[in-house]
Amino acid sequence: AQRVTQPEKLLSVFKGAPVELKCNYSYSGSPELFWYVQYSRQRLQLLLRHISRESIKGFTADLNKGETSFHLKKPFAQEEDSAMYYCALNDGQNFVFGPGTRLSVLP
Amino acid sequence: ETGVTQTPRHLVMGMTNKKSLKCEQHLGHNAMYWYKQSAKKPLELMFVYNFKEQTENNSVPSRFSPECPNSSHLFLHLHTLQPEDSALYLCASSQRVAAGELFFGEGSRLTVL
Repeated sequence: AQRVTQPEKLLSVFKGAPVELKCNYSYSGSPELFWYVQYSRQRLQLLLRHISRESIKGFTADLNKGETSFHLKKPFAQEEDSAMYYCALNDGQNFVFGPGTRLSVLP
Repeated sequence: ETGVTQTPRHLVMGMTNKKSLKCEQHLGHNAMYWYKQSAKKPLELMFVYNFKEQTENNSVPSRFSPECPNSSHLFLHLHTLQPEDSALYLCASSQRVAAGELFFGEGSRLTVL
């Protein structure tokens, strides 16, 4: 079965520091990968998807098929980035979500 | 209204009650989903509907009964729930099943006493 893992439940960084949220997946085909974000008291929403190759709110994510990873990165974290981040995989039949990483950006 | 709307936002019910959660999407999507979000587990897919037809039942107990009368509306009927069913229930939609991106509602926070 397809799986998405996010090894860190909680990640704390200081404002201005680089941040990397890890995501690994297990899938034999060519998946579509996403990052969803849930800010406090807001709905879960799409942050970015690998096929768009965009930078959203300063975040980027590169799909590494060799390492089956899709890590989310931002060079300089801001306090407003504090949120719950979910990595997700779409195998063409279902969306599969990872357990999530709570990012806390400290002042 | 636009997007995905869920009602009620909060619900408290006893184990013998019958209640329903409602979801409505104004995006013209054809696929709708119910997810369960709790502190102990990640997002759990419960049900998937495609063009009003159920395409996925992720081993959900029968005390949860979904209904999809049309592509814009999705219900989750609740009956004889257990305290461990207390969670945030999220509705989502997408253009087609497992295609494009998921658009989520704000969720219905359920507490079972």
